[in-house]
Amino acid sequence: QVRLQESGPGLVKPSGTLSLTCAVSGGSISSNNWWSWIRQPPGKGLEWIGQIYHSGGTNYNPSLKSRVTISVDKSKNQFSLKLTSVTAADTAIYYCTRVGKWSYDYWGQGTLVTVSS
Amino acid sequence: DIQMTQSPSSLSASVADRVTITCRTSQSIAVYLNWYQLKPGKAPKLLIYAASTLQSGVPSRFSGSGSGTDFTLTISSLQPEDFATYYCQQSYFTPWTFGQGTKVEIK
Repeated sequence: QVRLQESGPGLVKPSGTLSLTCAVSGGSISSNNWWSWIRQPPGKGLEWIGQIYHSGGTNYNPSLKSRVTISVDKSKNQFSLKLTSVTAADTAIYYCTRVGKWSYDYWGQGTLVTVSS
Repeated sequence: DIQMTQSPSSLSASVADRVTITCRTSQSIAVYLNWYQLKPGKAPKLLIYAASTLQSGVPSRFSGSGSGTDFTLTISSLQPEDFATYYCQQSYFTPWTFGQGTKVEIK
């Protein structure tokens, strides 16, 4: 059973950088899957941020592309998200997921990141 | 981006009720439509993929149907653990997008 666990600071200052890591267990990040980040602002819907393959290939949501970097660390079986120049609009629950059969088949439980001074 | 319209946005139902949630897309997406269940503090759960295929381990009271632009999630007999928010999601056009959610509450 694949398990994903997000970790990182729960509070980030405006104009700062949001950094999160997703640890993968019960499976290899080098499997034939993409790995993705999704977020949900309070009271709003779900938004895809971007995804990465173990080779390092990435795809990003055009609306966030200029501020987002997703990277992978195969030695630690984890992948990471960096979002720069954050504002209050980036306050959200951030989820990491595995991309399965044209769907997100495994999810972490999510971590709330608040942007505030 | 593909627009996803879910209805209703919320509903109240009783245990054992039959519940139907619909999802409409702004363009045809064949059967590239998935359904998820979200509960606060828990990992979201994939219920249905490819419009009608039940994810492994998901109870058979959940079913999905549809193709093109109109899709349906049905819970045949609502159970206490099914009170949650449900989202549809398309995986035909990038970026993949989600509906705005349907909150299923206890009547």
